Amino acid sequence: SQKIEQNSEALNIQEGKTATLTCNYTNYSPAYLQWYRQDPGRGPVFLLLIRENEKEKRKERLKVTFDTTLKQSLFHITASQPADSATYLCALPNTGNQFYFGTGTSLTVIP
Amino acid sequence: GAGVSQSPSNKVTEKGKDVELRCDPISGHTALYWYRQSLGQGLEFLIYFQGNSAPDKSGLPSDRFSAERTGGSVSTLTIQRTQQEDSAVYLCASSARTGDYGYTFGSGTRLTVV
Repeated sequence: SQKIEQNSEALNIQEGKTATLTCNYTNYSPAYLQWYRQDPGRGPVFLLLIRENEKEKRKERLKVTFDTTLKQSLFHITASQPADSATYLCALPNTGNQFYFGTGTSLTVIP
Repeated sequence: GAGVSQSPSNKVTEKGKDVELRCDPISGHTALYWYRQSLGQGLEFLIYFQGNSAPDKSGLPSDRFSAERTGGSVSTLTIQRTQQEDSAVYLCASSARTGDYGYTFGSGTRLTVV
């Protein structure tokens, strides 16, 4: 099975700075990896998917990298805003029909 | 509908009672998943439905848990003889296809067993 590790500590950054969140996995390298955002009392919201042959993926202020050698994905939010405060989850597919989700990293952007 | 709808949003039940949780996925989405999320924990896979195929029940924690999906649309997750450790947020998600495609989650049902 797959073990996923995300920043265990909550991340606090100043508005306007770049937030960098880490997702490390321990076992096989998946064909792709996903990032989700979750707000309190809500279900996760899909943000980005990156495939193993893609080193980097961007969407507006978001950037995701995927390094299969390091078994790591980095999630960056540039020019962060207080509205970006949430928990961010990474998810990897298993060999079946489901995803393993990390426990998430709580991000707070301070005005 | 526009999104995945779950009901009820909150459910408090007494230990030993049965509960039913409902999920109405996005119209046309053939894949439907149930996950649960305990406080401070990651999402735990429960069950997966894809079209008319037999469901993947490999994540159900015990035989007290069951789920069905009628007509390839609405799904019901049933927990019999609830226990306090069943307290969690139960999340439903649907997807237009399996594989490299993001899920759309509902807001979940917060179940509290007292």
